[in-house]
Amino acid sequence: EPEVTQTPSHQVTQMGQEVILRCVPISNHLYFYWYRQILGQKVEFLVSFYNNEISEKSEIFDDQFSVERPDGSNFTLKIRSTKLEDSAMYFCASSERRYEQYFGPGTRLTVT
Amino acid sequence: GENVEQHPSTLSVQEGDSAVIKCTYSDSASNYFPWYKQELGKRPQLIIDIRSNVGEKKDQRIAVTLNKTAKHFSLHITETQPEDSAVYFCAAGPSGGYQKVTFGTGTKLQVIP
Repeated sequence: EPEVTQTPSHQVTQMGQEVILRCVPISNHLYFYWYRQILGQKVEFLVSFYNNEISEKSEIFDDQFSVERPDGSNFTLKIRSTKLEDSAMYFCASSERRYEQYFGPGTRLTVT
Repeated sequence: GENVEQHPSTLSVQEGDSAVIKCTYSDSASNYFPWYKQELGKRPQLIIDIRSNVGEKKDQRIAVTLNKTAKHFSLHITETQPEDSAVYFCAAGPSGGYQKVTFGTGTKLQVIP
């Protein structure tokens, strides 16, 4: 069964550095999402992406964040200048239609 | 924006008993209600979902009910097994699913053998 994949599984970075988190959605899916989960808390929506543009973004997704689909398979989340509070598990998700979002295994981001 | 409340935060049941998790939502425009199971350190896994045009959906030992008038929905797990132990999240989203899905705060279910 196809799955969403994410790399790296764990990223450690220093405050102020840029990080790029990578995702490969399921191949026939058209809708892409990023969520984050701070340890022990609920999953929070960051952004949705369709037809090569952002569909919706949350208040968390400020100017420090950006998303890109650089080619036909990858979907990336960039954080330009990381803060301590950006430490979280970041999940990519994709859906074929407008429902049934399937999540990747996550990237644990640790900002020191 | 949408706000999803989930209860209880923790739930312990004996193996074989039933477990019920309840959620309420605030936005009457929400029409899609998925449930996710998250094992420790793993990804959220979609286990069942329901759309507003039905009041109940069942898949083997799992069932969901939806009351749109009262804006609440529930997950029912029957004949619980130790492998059902996980954190369960409810969520709500608009009919245009490419928009965000808002998650509840999670229920940690422990099934005691």
